[in-house]
Amino acid sequence: AQKVTQAQTEISVVEKEDVTLDCVYETRDTTYYLFWYKQPPSGELVFLIRRNSFDEQNEISGRYSWNFQKSTSSFNFTITASQVVDSAVYFCALSESSGGSYIPTFGRGTSLIVHP
Amino acid sequence: DSGVTQTPKHLITATGQRVTLRCSPRSGDLSVYWYQQSLDQGLQFLIQYYNGEERAKGNILERFSAQQFPDLHSELNLSSLELGDSALYFCASSVGLAGGRGEQFFGPGTRLTVL
Repeated sequence: AQKVTQAQTEISVVEKEDVTLDCVYETRDTTYYLFWYKQPPSGELVFLIRRNSFDEQNEISGRYSWNFQKSTSSFNFTITASQVVDSAVYFCALSESSGGSYIPTFGRGTSLIVHP
Repeated sequence: DSGVTQTPKHLITATGQRVTLRCSPRSGDLSVYWYQQSLDQGLQFLIQYYNGEERAKGNILERFSAQQFPDLHSELNLSSLELGDSALYFCASSVGLAGGRGEQFFGPGTRLTVL
């Protein structure tokens, strides 16, 4: 079974629309970490946010916001007033302990296309 | 710019060949991680080194090997290459052992094409 599910393969929006990228995870650990990364067309992976399992506080950073809900094992990402530069593939990842190391498992990614 | 460098940026080779990908972590980072990104498998963790020692292993094929040198740079060796090995290979680094608890800094990747 997939540990991180990003059910939306591709989302297409028009500039200034709000968009939410879904992420559902699966773990038996009580301590774990969740991440979002952005991969623009240039290919590099850019870290966006980290959340640990004990911190369910939602976070807002400019036009970006994240909603972490342990009850539904979800860590969704919303972009408000989307811009063309937001076009990228977005990855959600889960880190669990493995012999002292924490190795992230990535979802398959959601490709966001923002049209002008 | 993450501070992690990878060379080469692109690599084209033939089946059966062997290649070496190189990664230099950010200054001060002791952990290096290797990932493979392909259309079939997505982004998958291959292996982690911490201060010269292997610390975690993921879905790394036996044909692949890695090492981390005393100056902390790392190399990923891919041998007996197959068409299916064509992918983007990322290196990432973090300060400590448990980089997966915090932010990992990714390099720009090496795109390998096997013909």
